[in-house]
Amino acid sequence: QVNLLQSRAALVKPGASVKLSCKASGYTFTDYYIHWVKQSHGKSLEWIGYINPNSGYTNYNEKFKSKATLTVDKSTNTAYMELSRLTSEDSATYYCTRVGDEDWFAYWGQGTLVTVSS
Amino acid sequence: DIQMTQSPASLSASLGETVTIECRASEDIYNGLAWYQQKPGKSPQLLIYNANSLHTGVPSRFSGSGSGTQYSLKINSLQSEDVASYFCQQYYDYPTFGGGTKLELK
Repeated sequence: QVNLLQSRAALVKPGASVKLSCKASGYTFTDYYIHWVKQSHGKSLEWIGYINPNSGYTNYNEKFKSKATLTVDKSTNTAYMELSRLTSEDSATYYCTRVGDEDWFAYWGQGTLVTVSS
Repeated sequence: DIQMTQSPASLSASLGETVTIECRASEDIYNGLAWYQQKPGKSPQLLIYNANSLHTGVPSRFSGSGSGTQYSLKINSLQSEDVASYFCQQYYDYPTFGGGTKLELK
């Protein structure tokens, strides 16, 4: 069965960076794009972007182009998202997700809570 | 970007009642719409895709309908385990989500 296992919660200082991970299992990692989604506390969801694990090609929501960097390690079936120059606005839960047969998000990681605080 | 306007923002209903949540897109999304359920502290779970197709394992009391810019999610015979937040999402263009509906028991 498809499983996306995300890294633990992180507490980071303003201005710092953080790198989140998403380890995929139960399917061929290079067959499906990995997407990342942000959910600020109690609020709705925002699509950050996706990465093609096979080619490394990325596509970002314009809003997150200077904030997020998506990468993968095919040897460990792991996707990463680095968030830079963190502010309180970046405090949120971040999900990795994978599409199903088409473009809906059929599989979700458990989420990683990022708290930005001094 | 395609904007998704979801209503109501919150909803209180009794067990056994039928509830409907609406989602309006800022332009035609040609049935490229999904509905998700999210319980507190959990990740979203897919309920409906292609506007009206029930995802595997989702109870048949959930149904989706609509076309063009107007879509809805209906829950028949509300159960206690349906208390959650619900989100619509279009995938006709770059993904965007509705603001969510928080469903509580009356």
